[in-house]
Amino acid sequence: DTGVSQNPRHKITKRGQNVTFRCDPISEHNRLYWYRQTLGQGPEFLTYFQNEAQLEKSRLLSDRFSAERPKGSFSTLEIQRTEQGDSAMYLCASSLRWLITDTQYFGPGTRLTVL
Amino acid sequence: TQLLEQSPQFLSIQEGENLTVYCNSSSVFSSLQWYRQEPGEGPVLLVTVVTGGEVKKLKRLTFQFGDARKDSSLHITAAQPGDTGLYLCAGEGETSGSRLTFGEGTQLTVNP
Repeated sequence: DTGVSQNPRHKITKRGQNVTFRCDPISEHNRLYWYRQTLGQGPEFLTYFQNEAQLEKSRLLSDRFSAERPKGSFSTLEIQRTEQGDSAMYLCASSLRWLITDTQYFGPGTRLTVL
Repeated sequence: TQLLEQSPQFLSIQEGENLTVYCNSSSVFSSLQWYRQEPGEGPVLLVTVVTGGEVKKLKRLTFQFGDARKDSSLHITAAQPGDTGLYLCAGEGETSGSRLTFGEGTQLTVNP
């Protein structure tokens, strides 16, 4: 399978703990995105990378959130001191920018539950 | 802030019926993508439309991008139970860079 993969698929944690999620994009894709989706809503943009550079961050991405893509391949999203409001599906997507299109392909997501 | 409004939010129909889902905005998008999402899974890309007025067909699904690139529609002919899912439209703004702005989704249920 050469699609976007995310690990873990599910994470249950206690409030105040730190969690880290991993995303492996489609191999030739140079852009990687993180989104968050809560129940009954469409995904909301968090941040994106082009190669290893983080080019944009949403105001949704508080200081407790940090994302990295150190070698321009896989990416990690860390949430420190988790809060119950962080409970959501965290989605990763990747794309290969080509001319004016930038079609994004999504992974299966990581479902986070903060107790 | 760019917003995409999807309608209807919920749709429950019988097998064999036709339906249309709408996606509207006051903003211009450089491209618009339609996804389908199953519970507990990530969105799966159905189509990308780029040119104003563009129409794309995918078997029983027809996608249209408005002439002004501010709106889009998805029409399903002779719906089947396998079409059940959450349909999401997402636009790439002309001024918002690469981020996608999603609508809230249309939850479609096709009853046998």
